[in-house]
Amino acid sequence: GAVVSQHPSRVICKSGTSVKIECRSLDFQATTMFWYRQFPKKSLMLMATSNEGSKATYEQGVEKDKFLINHASLTLSTLTVTSAHPEDSSFYICSARGLAGLYEQYFGPGTRLTVT
Amino acid sequence: AQKVTQAQTEISVVEKEDVTLDCVYETRDTTYYLFWYKQPPSGELVFLIRRNSFDEQNEISGRYSWNFQKSTSSFNFTITASQVVDSAVYFCALSEVNPGANNLFFGTGTRLTVIP
Repeated sequence: GAVVSQHPSRVICKSGTSVKIECRSLDFQATTMFWYRQFPKKSLMLMATSNEGSKATYEQGVEKDKFLINHASLTLSTLTVTSAHPEDSSFYICSARGLAGLYEQYFGPGTRLTVT
Repeated sequence: AQKVTQAQTEISVVEKEDVTLDCVYETRDTTYYLFWYKQPPSGELVFLIRRNSFDEQNEISGRYSWNFQKSTSSFNFTITASQVVDSAVYFCALSEVNPGANNLFFGTGTRLTVIP
């Protein structure tokens, strides 16, 4: 089956610093990648949709200058949390959709970000 | 607008009991997909099933079964003879069929605890 990896799995950073999270599709080409955020005991909230070679589409209320998304290749998308604050602490999950599976999203294992 | 409701926030059962997780959805689309995902404590989303809106046949996979009823807009999930390893948060989700559309609309999840 399709495999999506995320790196790092856990990261702790200080307020004001930036953190980059990578999402990779390991055995398929992902034309679209999605970034979700999940607060403790809450559901997944879509942050943005990232298409290879074009600008990401952000959901309402998500600051694009704070959550920078780059989808430079068909196997890699990155999410950079800039000038992180404690309220950015969350579980970030990416998913990828390939050329063949128009309706199937394959999820990464998630990245737990803690901002101190 | 699409909406997925999982009214049960938490359920506890004793091992070997059967348990049904409810999912009710709203959509204006005539064609759509429904999903169930399992999220164990590790955080990774595990895909369980995808169902096309045209296919109302119930499905059984081992101890898991799904009851899709379009008339009541429900897609319930039953685990028979529950086991401790079934303890997790279970998400029901709805997806549009339009390839250009983005994402999955998740319910708020049901936390299942199976007590040994």
